[in-house]
Amino acid sequence: DTGVSQDPRHKITKRGQNVTFRCDPISEHNRLYWYRQTLGQGPEFLTYFQNEAQLEKSRLLSDRFSAERPKGSFSTLEIQRTEQGDSAMYLCASSSLWGRQVDTGELFFGEGSRLTVL
Amino acid sequence: AQSVTQLGSHVSVSEGALVLLRCNYSSSVPPYLFWYVQYPNQGLQLLLKYTSAATLVKGINGFEAEFKKSETSFHLTKPSAHMSDAAEYFCAVTHTGGGNKLTFGTGTQLKVEL
Repeated sequence: DTGVSQDPRHKITKRGQNVTFRCDPISEHNRLYWYRQTLGQGPEFLTYFQNEAQLEKSRLLSDRFSAERPKGSFSTLEIQRTEQGDSAMYLCASSSLWGRQVDTGELFFGEGSRLTVL
Repeated sequence: AQSVTQLGSHVSVSEGALVLLRCNYSSSVPPYLFWYVQYPNQGLQLLLKYTSAATLVKGINGFEAEFKKSETSFHLTKPSAHMSDAAEYFCAVTHTGGGNKLTFGTGTQLKVEL
């Protein structure tokens, strides 16, 4: 078990460029979450998947943001036409909930991808 | 809607002193409550969780928290602070059937001084 991994760890881009982040969850986990954390704030929920299905999206996820999990394993988060306000740490987390397992809410987080938009 | 409020964005204690980080929650349904710790440039690590079993919850690194429904609180404590405890601590809430979608507080930065 190598934990949740995210790539890249750091990304500096110019305003207007597109960026993509990748998350590889813990292998047996069927749920995957994206959060955004800005300086001095707690993580804010963006979206989550159960297997390949995207079950919920936050109002924070504007049309410029798209997340996918095509095969129910890794996920990508793409930001188009980046703005300076997109500068943040993007955190991925995973968890498992199978069948009648009790939903206890525990998430396992990766180390995050820090985006700086100049 | 659920929310958590962490009182004190910065807390400073001396090494060996009691650590008390405050968290109050708001939830219309029975909550699940969590404390996570974040070290610089790292992700969040679970310290402990309350999921409707024992109200006094023990976690890693000597931390514990007590769920008090009457006070809507879930404060984090540690009897004796260590330098390695310096980090940012986040309280979070969800509920059964909530899809593991955690709502986090704004965090408390803990500083431990010699």
